[in-house]
Amino acid sequence: GEDVEQSLFLSVREGDSSVINCTYTDSSSTYLYWYKQEPGAGLQLLTYIFSNMDMKQDQRLTVLLNKKDKHLSLRIADTQTGDSAIYFCAGPLYGGATNKLIFGTGTLLAVQP
Amino acid sequence: NAGVTQTPKFRILKIGQSMTLQCTQDMNHNYMYWYRQDPGMGLKLIYYSVGAGITDKGEVPNGYNVSRSTTEDFPLRLELAAPSQTSVYFCASSYSPGQGDGYTFGSGTRLTVV
Repeated sequence: GEDVEQSLFLSVREGDSSVINCTYTDSSSTYLYWYKQEPGAGLQLLTYIFSNMDMKQDQRLTVLLNKKDKHLSLRIADTQTGDSAIYFCAGPLYGGATNKLIFGTGTLLAVQP
Repeated sequence: NAGVTQTPKFRILKIGQSMTLQCTQDMNHNYMYWYRQDPGMGLKLIYYSVGAGITDKGEVPNGYNVSRSTTEDFPLRLELAAPSQTSVYFCASSYSPGQGDGYTFGSGTRLTVV
């Protein structure tokens, strides 16, 4: 089955870049996602990338996908205190069945002023 | 357009009690999901539904039941609450999960079983 792994914690200073990493096991062609969870709230879709892409940029967010190594990363430029949250990567469960997502453990991003 | 609404937001149950977590969406999404979130464990899929009248098990279905009589509603039932079911429960829905739309999540129900 699918497995998605992330490091648990990342601390950066305001204005620096943050890089959150994720590894996954399923190699099916589909979408991979990044979600953001603020304290006491549900998950909010941040961005996604299709597996035939290497990179996607959306304002301060850059997603990099290395299919060979099954590695996904989210870079946040000019990190702000409002970016402090838990970030989850997610991919399809069970051999690319895209109607079910499996989520990583989440990375807590702490932004120091 | 309220999105995905979950009730209640908080609940304390005694061991052996039962309860239903409500979830409703007003986006006419066919796909709906229940996840539980435990600290350091990410989200685990409990049950999901691809449309009214159709449900299926996820990764951790034991101790739970669901029904999907309408497109809008997808309640999650706990029959005999156990301390291991202490968690935060999230309902989500999607229009076309294979097309990059992702999921829309509710704000969660925090359940404590004592």
